[in-house]
Amino acid sequence: AQSVTQLDSHVSVSEGTPVLLRCNYSSSYSPSLFWYVQHPNKGLQLLLKYTSAATLVKGINGFEAEFKKSETSFHLTKPSAHMSDAAEYFCVVRKRRRDDKIIFGKGTRLHILP
Amino acid sequence: ETGVTQTPRHLVMGMTNKKSLKCEQHLGHNAMYWYKQSAKKPLELMFVYNFKEQTENNSVPSRFSPECPNSSHLFLHLHTLQPEDSALYLCASSQDLGTGYEQYFGPGTRLTVT
Repeated sequence: AQSVTQLDSHVSVSEGTPVLLRCNYSSSYSPSLFWYVQHPNKGLQLLLKYTSAATLVKGINGFEAEFKKSETSFHLTKPSAHMSDAAEYFCVVRKRRRDDKIIFGKGTRLHILP
Repeated sequence: ETGVTQTPRHLVMGMTNKKSLKCEQHLGHNAMYWYKQSAKKPLELMFVYNFKEQTENNSVPSRFSPECPNSSHLFLHLHTLQPEDSALYLCASSQDLGTGYEQYFGPGTRLTVT
């Protein structure tokens, strides 16, 4: 069975400081992993994805994530937060088979303090 | 975001009304999805279509009836809804099912059932 756990429902950081949003997964098969961002009153936008190539994945807007199989983690990071990063972030696991299931985490709301 | 469009963006309906949500994707994708996003709950996958055929129905009540006339259009027909059905309904598409294909989301329809 697959599952995904976003460890924090809310994270607050000051503008210009690093961002860390944590995601742990479980999957009986090698998964594909995704991070999406949702700004207020908008749909979800893909930030980055891991599908079995390089374990360090770079995405849009300066975000990156590292796939760590030993820790079953896929944490999202950014070196320096910007006010426009305030949004909700979703970690998603997808079994890498045709009969896959798509599992969304509950989301982490990121607050940026001036 | 313009790749997947949804109409209407907002909808208020009574419990005895019948209405439809429309989704259109301009990306040439083969798979389309309906999700329900309620406050304080994870994103819920409702239906999946691939090449116009329904491949997944996640125990959705029959008052929600999907229709996929072609790979570019997806509808969600609503009738005799309940107040707990009030939510943001998101449509998404992907190139294909499984194996790491990311989803592209529309902006959603905010549904209020009175």
